[in-house]
Amino acid sequence: DTQMTQSPSSLSASVGDRVTITCQASQDIDKYLSWYQQKPGKAPNLLIYDASNLETGVPSRFSGSGSGTDFTLTISSLQPEDIATYYCQQYDNLPLTFGGGTKVEIK
Amino acid sequence: EVQLLESGGGLEQPGGSLRLSCAASGFIFSNNAMTWVRQAPGKGLEWVATITSSGGSIYHADSVKGRFTISRDNSKNTLYLQMNSLRAEDTAVYYCAMQGPVILYQMEVWGKGTSVTVSS
Repeated sequence: DTQMTQSPSSLSASVGDRVTITCQASQDIDKYLSWYQQKPGKAPNLLIYDASNLETGVPSRFSGSGSGTDFTLTISSLQPEDIATYYCQQYDNLPLTFGGGTKVEIK
Repeated sequence: EVQLLESGGGLEQPGGSLRLSCAASGFIFSNNAMTWVRQAPGKGLEWVATITSSGGSIYHADSVKGRFTISRDNSKNTLYLQMNSLRAEDTAVYYCAMQGPVILYQMEVWGKGTSVTVSS
């Protein structure tokens, strides 16, 4: 199974800060990585697919990068509505696996 | 608008059974692979099962293999998860998710989820 390791598990930042979340795969997954945002009490929502492609309707302050085993989600200017938990997920192989999540809070 | 609506959750005793349904609308259901993902209280996301667009191939996580079965009825635009021999550790919110034409694809749209509690 491909293990997905996210870091940090939580972070606190100020409005307007640049926020970076990393995700490391235990084996090469090429570009087959997505990022999801989950707000409290809500279903996850797709932000990024194929490591760097922004899903339609997602604000441009979100971006993704990486390939192989190391990936990054960046929020260029944190907004209050970005308070959520973020998950990476690989779809290079079965079983599909998720990272443990990163909880983002406002300082 | 693409919509997924799960139903069938509830309280069940250990060893019991439940069948979850996911009604799809707003897209050509038979063109898309579909997946169930669950989230235990206060925990992260866990893949449960995936089915190809035709229903010809199904895949299950080891944690549910032999107990849960994913299926679909393309004539009814509905995805199912038959859950047997339920355990306390199956307690979670269960989400259905729409993928693309193949199973190795991002989860583009998610339902709101249905809650399953396994307890005596």
